[in-house]
Parts: sequence; C-alpha cells; structure tokens
Amino acid sequence: EAQVTQNPRYLITVTGKKLTVTCSQNMNHEYMSWYRQDPGLGLRQIYYSMNVEVTDKGDVPEGYKVSRKEKRNFPLILESPSPNQTSLYFCASSPLMTGAYGYTFGSGTRLTVV
Amino acid sequence: AQKVTQAQTEISVVEKEDVTLDCVYETRDTTYYLFWYKQPPSGELVFLIRRNSFDEQNEISGRYSWNFQKSTSSFNFTITASQVVDSAVYFCALSESKGAGSYQLTFGKGTKLSVIP
Repeated sequence: EAQVTQNPRYLITVTGKKLTVTCSQNMNHEYMSWYRQDPGLGLRQIYYSMNVEVTDKGDVPEGYKVSRKEKRNFPLILESPSPNQTSLYFCASSPLMTGAYGYTFGSGTRLTVV
Repeated sequence: AQKVTQAQTEISVVEKEDVTLDCVYETRDTTYYLFWYKQPPSGELVFLIRRNSFDEQNEISGRYSWNFQKSTSSFNFTITASQVVDSAVYFCALSESKGAGSYQLTFGKGTKLSVIP
C-alpha cells in the first residue's frame, strides 16, 4: 500500500531532550515536507526537501532540523525541544513539488513538550 | 497577507442542510494548484480534491461540489444534504511557485464544520 509512515504517533517529552520524528514513504517520491498544525493557525511548513541531500526552510524552521540522506526517509529532529513546539506534526510526500500529482500525508505525530 | 483565507472559522448546520465553505486565495502565478482536505476528529488529513489553475470546470462528487472561479480567486466547497459524518475541520490549500524552481503548499486556517443531528 502506498503510504507515508510517521513514528511515533504520540510522544510526550521533557524540555531539552533531543528527539527525532521519523517519516518514510514507499512511493519513490522526490518531494517531502514537514508541517506543524496549531489551533487557529492551520498547517505551516517547517522544512521541505526537493530530493536527496536537498533541503530548504519553510515558514517556521526555528528549532528544527531535517536531513534527507535517502529518498524514502525525511526525519524531523528537535535538538532541544521547548513547550512552544507542542503541536501536531505532519509529513507529506509528492512525486513533484508543484503539487500537480497531489500530496500524500502521514497520519500525524502529536508531540507534547512539558 | 494570507495566501489562503478561510473566513469561516466555525460553522454549525443541522443535518440535511446544505453548507458552503469559502476559500479565497492570493497568487501572482498563472500555474498553481488548489486543494481541499478534510480532517476528522481522528486527526488524519483526508484528500478531497485537487484543481489546477487552467481547469475552471466545477466538479461534483456525490454530495460534494466545488466551485472554482479565477475571476474572484475563490475555490468554494459545498456539501449537499449534510450528514453527521461530515463534521470535521476542512482545509483549503494553494500550491504556487516561490521562485527558483521551488513550490510551496500553503494552507488556510481551516473551517470547523459541526453537523447537528
């Protein structure tokens, strides 16, 4: 089944403890992206990747890192999480960045930083 | 300025009523893509429709229909004979060029629809 898999689905952590949210797609998509969703703000892009080893900042990149060492994986790294990073996170992938073929989203990761 | 405006934050309707969710977008591109997603209480994003800027045909899929009007930069979504299962947050989104071969998908803030039995 074609899908984007995020792990974990739920995570509660403490301020300052490094964490990684994994994202993997099995569709050979070139484009991958991370979003965070906060009440009243919709989804905002954190980082995106056009291909292996090519990443760029979205609208809200502060406090996050990403890497794209292989096509299928695009992990989101929070080196020193803070409570304002408590959010619902989505990973997405697409054959083309333009969206001409649509985007496939993961099921989401609900992160709480205390 | 917001790229995608969903002016209705929350809407409540009684079951079987029709409801229209508004979406107004802003772009200078001639080639762009518009999307609607549904987010039920379980939290996942469910794709509903994709429309490219060159296709202004309205679309109907069962009880759902979409009205795309480039002249007013709107891409409105209508649910006919609403059902309780339609209760969700609905997002409109725009994919447009950022320049240098880069595109970005930008979401509106969403409209929460509650269908009351």
